[in-house]
Amino acid sequence: QVQLQESGPGLVKPSGTLSLTCTVSGGSISSSSWWGWIRQPPGKGLEWIGYIYYSGSTNYNPSLKSRLTMSVDTSKNQFSLKLSSVTALDTAVYYCARKIAAAGEFDYWGQGTLVTVSS
Amino acid sequence: EIVLTQSPGTLSLSPGERATLSCRASQSVSSSFLAWYQQKPGQAPRLLIYGASNRATGIPDRFGGSGSGTDFTLTISRLEPEDFAVYYCQQYGGSPPITFGQGTRLEIK
Repeated sequence: QVQLQESGPGLVKPSGTLSLTCTVSGGSISSSSWWGWIRQPPGKGLEWIGYIYYSGSTNYNPSLKSRLTMSVDTSKNQFSLKLSSVTALDTAVYYCARKIAAAGEFDYWGQGTLVTVSS
Repeated sequence: EIVLTQSPGTLSLSPGERATLSCRASQSVSSSFLAWYQQKPGQAPRLLIYGASNRATGIPDRFGGSGSGTDFTLTISRLEPEDFAVYYCQQYGGSPPITFGQGTRLEIK
């Protein structure tokens, strides 16, 4: 059973950089899967942020691309998200999730972590 | 961008009733790449249906998905108390490759 767990600061200052890590257990990050991030502002719907393959290939949401960097560390079975120049609009619960390469859906999700952008 | 519009926004039903949730796409979506999720308060979304009509592992058979092209439907044949939640559809394959509908809230009448 694959499990994902997000970690990182829960509070980020405006104009700063939001950094999160997702640790994968119960399976290898080097499998044929894309590892993604999805966020959900309080009381609102889901927004896809982007995903990364274990090789380092990425696919980002164009609306966030200019501020976004994703990376993967296969030795630690982790992948990470950095979002720069954050504002209050980036306040959300951030989820990491797995998408099998040949599929369209996210089958395993982390529990989510709330990141608040505030001074 | 493929926009997914879910209706109704809120659906009020009683346990034991049948629920029908709609997801309409602004462009044709491959049936292979249309999924439905259930989200309860304070929890991550849970995959219910993938490939428009395939139940994910462990999902009861009262949940069913159908549709093709631009019109997709999630049906819950007989509502159980634990089914009251928010439901999202999601497509893969446009640009951006992943978009979600805005959600349908299923509440107890």
